[in-house]
Amino acid sequence: AQSVTQLDSQVPVFEEAPVELRCNYSSSVSVYLFWYVQYPNQGLQLLLKYLSGSTLVKGINGFEAEFNKSQTSFHLRKPSVHISDTAEYFCAVSAGNTGKLIFGQGTTLQVKP
Amino acid sequence: NAGVTQTPKFQVLKTGQSMTLQCAQDMNHEYMSWYRQDPGMGLRLIHYSVGAGITDQGEVPNGYNVSRSTTEDFPLRLLSAAPSQTSVYFCASTSVAGAYEQYFGPGTRLTVT
Repeated sequence: AQSVTQLDSQVPVFEEAPVELRCNYSSSVSVYLFWYVQYPNQGLQLLLKYLSGSTLVKGINGFEAEFNKSQTSFHLRKPSVHISDTAEYFCAVSAGNTGKLIFGQGTTLQVKP
Repeated sequence: NAGVTQTPKFQVLKTGQSMTLQCAQDMNHEYMSWYRQDPGMGLRLIHYSVGAGITDQGEVPNGYNVSRSTTEDFPLRLLSAAPSQTSVYFCASTSVAGAYEQYFGPGTRLTVT
């Protein structure tokens, strides 16, 4: 079975500062990894995904994530955040070809002026 | 191309009532899923389907039924609503060809009193 742990429930940060949202996963099989963003009162939007190949994945809105197999982590980073990045971020894992996603608990990113 | 649509957007039920949440997708995706989102718990998989006529249980299936008679539609039925089913419900679809990137509907906010 797969599981996902997002290590921070809330991350406050000042505008233009860098941010890292942490995600660890566990799985006995190879996985696909995803980060989704949810703006207030909206659905989920894909930020980026790791399927295979390069461990550094770039997504939309200047976000990137690094897959670390030995540490079973998939942390999300942005070098300089904006007020508009305030949202909830979800890390998720899909086990191979099942089509199912297992989500972490979510991290609320609060960007302050 | 509407993507994934859900109806209704909001619903209030009394304990014991039944209802069906509708979900449709026009992307010809094989896989469809239902999730519920509760504060601090991320999204949890209720039921999913890998194709018409095939459904299976997710993490939290109790109190919910699904069927998939067509590729496009995947309704979620609440048999006898309980206050514990107060939540936001998301439907999603994905495809093998799309590397399992899930597309989410806008959600249904359900309150059971």
